[in-house]
Order: sequence, then C-alpha cells, then structure tokens
Amino acid sequence: EVQLLESGGALVQRGGSLKLACAASGFSFINYAMGWVRQAPGKGLEWVSAISASYHVTYYADSVKGRFTISRDDSKDMLYMQMNSLGVEDTARYYCAKVRATSEWYFDYWGQGTLVTVSS
Amino acid sequence: ETVLTQSPATLSLSPGERAALSCRVSDNVRSYLAWYQQKPGQAPRLLIYDASNRATGIPARFSGSGSGTDFTLTISSLEPEDFAVYYCQQRRNWPLTFGGGTKVEIK
Repeated sequence: EVQLLESGGALVQRGGSLKLACAASGFSFINYAMGWVRQAPGKGLEWVSAISASYHVTYYADSVKGRFTISRDDSKDMLYMQMNSLGVEDTARYYCAKVRATSEWYFDYWGQGTLVTVSS
Repeated sequence: ETVLTQSPATLSLSPGERAALSCRVSDNVRSYLAWYQQKPGQAPRLLIYDASNRATGIPARFSGSGSGTDFTLTISSLEPEDFAVYYCQQRRNWPLTFGGGTKVEIK
C-alpha cells in the first residue's frame, strides 16, 4: 500500500524558513517523480514544485521560484521542501504527492498534508 | 501559464442524476488533462488521467472526454459519496496548473 506521510508544518513568522519532509513507502520511490501541491484555507489546489526520478530535475511554480527548494533522498525514500522567505501568501496545507508515471505529471497518491501558517 | 477555467462553480443535483462538469483550457493541451475529487478534510484523489482514462479503482460511472481546450467530466448517476469538489489539471505545459474547482452539492 502506497503511503505518504508529511511532516514539518508549523506556525512561522513572515520572512522565516521551514523544511517540510515526506516519508514514502509501499512503492519503489527511486523510480517515481514526486511533487508538492498546496491548498490555502478554503481555496483550490496550487501546484508548487516537482522533481523527477533519475536525474532529479526540478520544477517550480513562479510564486515560489527562488524561495523554495525541492529535493529527495532516494536512499531514505524521502522528499523534502526547503521553504525560505515565507510570506503570508504561503499559508496553506502542503501535500506530498507521487507522480503517476514517467513524464505523466499527474498525482495518483497523496499524503494527508502538513499545515504551514505564516504570521505577519 | 496555461489557465484552466471550470464551470459551473457549483452544481446542485440530486442522487441518481447525471453530472457534467466542464474544464476549458487557455492553450491546446491535447489530451493531457486529469480530474481529481476532493472531499472535505481529505486529500485529492485522481479520477481520470489523459482526458479519458480511469485511474485505478475508480468506478465506471466516472468518465472523461475532450481534447485540445474543452474537457468534460461526467458522473452518470450520482451516488451519495460523489458530492465533493472536482478539479482539473493539465500536464502539457510547465507550470502544471489546476482549475479553480466545481463543487457538486446535494440539491
């Protein structure tokens, strides 16, 4: 059974930093691209970042480019998101999600999310 | 970026009725579009990928159609558990983008 468990969400002040983690199990993590999707309270889904398998190519939404860094540790089946220069607009639940197949950038499994709250 | 516009914002229907949800895309994304369902307090669930392929374990009452810029998610006969918010997402262009969602509520 595929499981994704996020951690690291917290209340942080504007301008602060946070590192999210996602522990994956139940599938061959090294073979799949992964991503982060966020959802502000009461709002829709917003794709944040993704990272490929193999060469670890990274992709970012314009809203986080230069501030967030996605990474993965295939030896530990872990996905990470380093978040710097946080603003109130980054307040959201952050979901870790598995990409369905190579170059098919859809998300077929999701964690339950971790809540990031940025205070002003 | 590629913009996805979902309509209607809210669809009020009764169990057993047919639901048709629209997703219009600002650029031609060929068939590279997915649909997700999200219930309150839950993570999204992939329903349809590449416009018309049901994801693993998705009931046959869910179907997707369309290509290019116009897509439709159809639920042939609404079950009580289908009342939720539905999102479309394209993978043709970076950045990946989602539509704003359609809420299917009980009439």
